[in-house]
Amino acid sequence: AQKVTQAQTEISVVEKEDVTLDCVYETRDTTYYLFWYKQPPSGELVFLIRRNSFDEQNEISGRYSWNFQKSTSSFNFTITASQVVDSAVYFCALSTNFGNEKLTFGTGTRLTIIP
Amino acid sequence: GAGVSQSPSNKVTEKGKDVELRCDPISGHTALYWYRQSLGQGLEFLIYFQGNSAPDKSGLPSDRFSAERTGGSVSTLTIQRTQQEDSAVYLCASSLHSRGRTEQYFGPGTRLTVT
Repeated sequence: AQKVTQAQTEISVVEKEDVTLDCVYETRDTTYYLFWYKQPPSGELVFLIRRNSFDEQNEISGRYSWNFQKSTSSFNFTITASQVVDSAVYFCALSTNFGNEKLTFGTGTRLTIIP
Repeated sequence: GAGVSQSPSNKVTEKGKDVELRCDPISGHTALYWYRQSLGQGLEFLIYFQGNSAPDKSGLPSDRFSAERTGGSVSTLTIQRTQQEDSAVYLCASSLHSRGRTEQYFGPGTRLTVT
């Protein structure tokens, strides 16, 4: 069985601060995929990133960066110089079976950026 | 291009009535997923379609829930004899389903309220 844990339920930071959202996953599969989604107040889930288990390179996209560490089963997400528009609920998710990529989601982290 | 669309956006129904929720995936996406999001249960997988077949229905909570997909495109989720615990946001997602391109794109959801 798969499991994704996002221990941080809510985080508030002042605008322009950096913030890291934690994600820890559990799976017995050796091939798996990790995702981050953003759910703004409008409600629609927005895809941010997909990472394969065999690619541990960290990734940076603008102010966003992701740190994937298989040794600790973590896939953390950092926002640099946060902005009010980053306020949302962020979900980490896992899929393990190519051919049926159903997602197992964490419980989400609600991020509030204070202007 | 057009994203995933769902209708209706909101549905209020009386306990015991049947409801149908519709999903139009992104054109060309062969895989389609239904999830539901509720306060108590978070984001849960319901069913997965590859083309018109549903190889994984493991998330459907009871036999009151069914889904079909026609023409490899539109999907309908039907809930019979609705109960108050069915109240949730029902989300549809689609993906291209080819190796290396497994991310799912979500629709805006249908908010179902059972009174």
